[in-house]
Amino acid sequence: DAKTTQPNSMESNEEEPVHLPCNHSTISGTDYIHWYRQLPSQGPEYVIHGLTSNVNNRMASLAIAEDRKSSTLILHRATLRDAAVYYCILRALNRGSQGNLIFGKGTKLSVKP
Amino acid sequence: DAGVIQSPRHEVTEMGQEVTLRCKPISGHNSLFWYRQTMMRGLELLIYFNNNVPIDDSGMPEDRFSAKMPNASFSTLKIQPSEPRDSAVYFCASSLVGAAANYGYTFGSGTRLTVV
Repeated sequence: DAKTTQPNSMESNEEEPVHLPCNHSTISGTDYIHWYRQLPSQGPEYVIHGLTSNVNNRMASLAIAEDRKSSTLILHRATLRDAAVYYCILRALNRGSQGNLIFGKGTKLSVKP
Repeated sequence: DAGVIQSPRHEVTEMGQEVTLRCKPISGHNSLFWYRQTMMRGLELLIYFNNNVPIDDSGMPEDRFSAKMPNASFSTLKIQPSEPRDSAVYFCASSLVGAAANYGYTFGSGTRLTVV
């Protein structure tokens, strides 16, 4: 299965942009790139996903490299509430159980006031 | 929408006792997932149901664990007998999964299980 590599931890200052990187050099053509986050003492929460083009939603932006071997989750203005573990996950479409979400260790984001 | 509802939020039980965790998925979702989270192993997928049918239970740690989904609005995860190493947070998630769909999962708030 294609895997992702993320830094263990990152720090950011409040109200500054945050760029969370993810490497997925073995991604296949039908793998979608999903991002979830887990706030302390809560279940994981869907953030955004994409296939080839950059994506924006109210929570974040997802920038996908042209070769799709890496991606970056962008939080435009970090708040204290954005402190969480962020997971980058490849999800295969139309491949039954292989399309399930398999979580790695993620990146723990700390936000300083 | 109330989201995915899990009960109880916390469960403390003695070793050897039976434990039943419950989950109500989001109405209209056709897939349900049970995960377990520990500090050592992170988030692990235990079992996956599609249209109430168990599709992949390869993540279930051993025969002491069983899961059922009698209808589209209810699922249970049972541990019998429970052991201290089963202590973890158990999450239920639901989603709409299909050939053309690629929707996100919605997770419940989890059940924190402590086996003493």
